[in-house]
Amino acid sequence: DQQVKQNSPSLSVQEGRISILNCDYTNSMFDYFLWYKKYPAEGPTFLISISSIKDKNEDGRFTVFLNKSAKHLSLHIVPSQPGDSAVYFCAASARGGANSKLTFGKGITLSVRP
Amino acid sequence: DSGVTQTPKHLITATGQRVTLRCSPRSGDLSVYWYQQSLDQGLQFLIHYYNGEERAKGNILERFSAQQFPDLHSELNLSSLELGDSALYFCASSVLTGSEQYFGPGTRLTVT
Repeated sequence: DQQVKQNSPSLSVQEGRISILNCDYTNSMFDYFLWYKKYPAEGPTFLISISSIKDKNEDGRFTVFLNKSAKHLSLHIVPSQPGDSAVYFCAASARGGANSKLTFGKGITLSVRP
Repeated sequence: DSGVTQTPKHLITATGQRVTLRCSPRSGDLSVYWYQQSLDQGLQFLIHYYNGEERAKGNILERFSAQQFPDLHSELNLSSLELGDSALYFCASSVLTGSEQYFGPGTRLTVT
């Protein structure tokens, strides 16, 4: 049972344009959401997070939007740069419990064309 | 650099063998998590330790075990290795349970 879904395996955008990466979740206990970026042969790098009490969080070129009623979040990258080309993982956790393991989606490969 | 270190970077071993993967968390982080990433799978949670105590287990096989030592470093022990255990193993740490986790570079295990 996949509780965090990234349904599009890949996305290609032109440099300077907006990249929108989508993520859906099914577990209503999730209350903290994160995006990670991963280059080949490296560990995931934390990008941005959002708590369920917010619907938007912004950090530089990265903005995460959360729609709790739809159980959907998205990561917007504006403007996209070639160095953003990587695999992006959406993750979620239920922080109320003693264990806040992260449940990951399978990732989206973003390619930014120069 | 996340501040989380993992050794070794690569490990090649034969079926039936036992290996130990090591992780040092970021300075000050009390929580250590282990994840496995196989070829067609996303990151799968294995086990969580907080300040030396096991907090939760995920999809961890009985052949696998872990511990966190008083200096907070952690080891993941994999025994009776099978071909299907070939994967990337990541360690992550966080200062608080529930805060963002920072990942090490991973150990690539190949079982032949």
